[in-house]
Amino acid sequence: DAGVIQSPRHEVTEMGQEVTLRCKPISGHNSLFWYRQTMMRGLELLIYFNNNVPIDDSGMPEDRFSAKMPNASFSTLKIQPSEPRDSAVYFCASSPGTGNPRSYNSPLHFGNGTRLTVT
Amino acid sequence: AQSVTQLGSHVSVSEGALVLLRCNYSSSVPPYLFWYVQYPNQGLQLLLKYTSAATLVKGINGFEAEFKKSETSFHLTKPSAHMSDAAEYFCAVSLSNFGNEKLTFGTGTRLTIIP
Repeated sequence: DAGVIQSPRHEVTEMGQEVTLRCKPISGHNSLFWYRQTMMRGLELLIYFNNNVPIDDSGMPEDRFSAKMPNASFSTLKIQPSEPRDSAVYFCASSPGTGNPRSYNSPLHFGNGTRLTVT
Repeated sequence: AQSVTQLGSHVSVSEGALVLLRCNYSSSVPPYLFWYVQYPNQGLQLLLKYTSAATLVKGINGFEAEFKKSETSFHLTKPSAHMSDAAEYFCAVSLSNFGNEKLTFGTGTRLTIIP
């Protein structure tokens, strides 16, 4: 099991540019989560998908952020246009959970994150 | 809404000493509680979880945590610290009816081990 795979590991871009972060969840996992980690705000849930469908995107900061999950093995988080305040580590996580109470038995499996720096 | 508060953003202990990382929760319904660990340049890994079974929960790497409803606490302990325990630790809470989908993390405690 390769775990959750994120790419790239590091991204440095200039403000105004489009940034796309990619995630491959663990095969067979039904839920996928995008988190953002900063020193000031800690870990924030941006959006999560269940069976490829976005369930809750209330954590997405603004319209510049968008996420898609075209199939069960791939998701993207896009920022357009990027701003310096978007600099953070972005984590993707997956779990077998499907939204029922039994999902608590299934911990989140995190990728190693993408460190984004917007200059 | 549920939340967790981690007391102390930085904790330092000597190698071999007791590790105690504090977490208090707030929840209107019985919560599920978790501790995750994050090593440098890595994602979070589950240490242990409380899901309304035994109040003393044992996790990986010798860590354990005790759920105390009267104190609304879920402190993480390890009897003897090892250098490899240096990492950041996150307490998290989830409403019992939603599992992972409504997991709320604390702000984290960075644990430093003094040789």
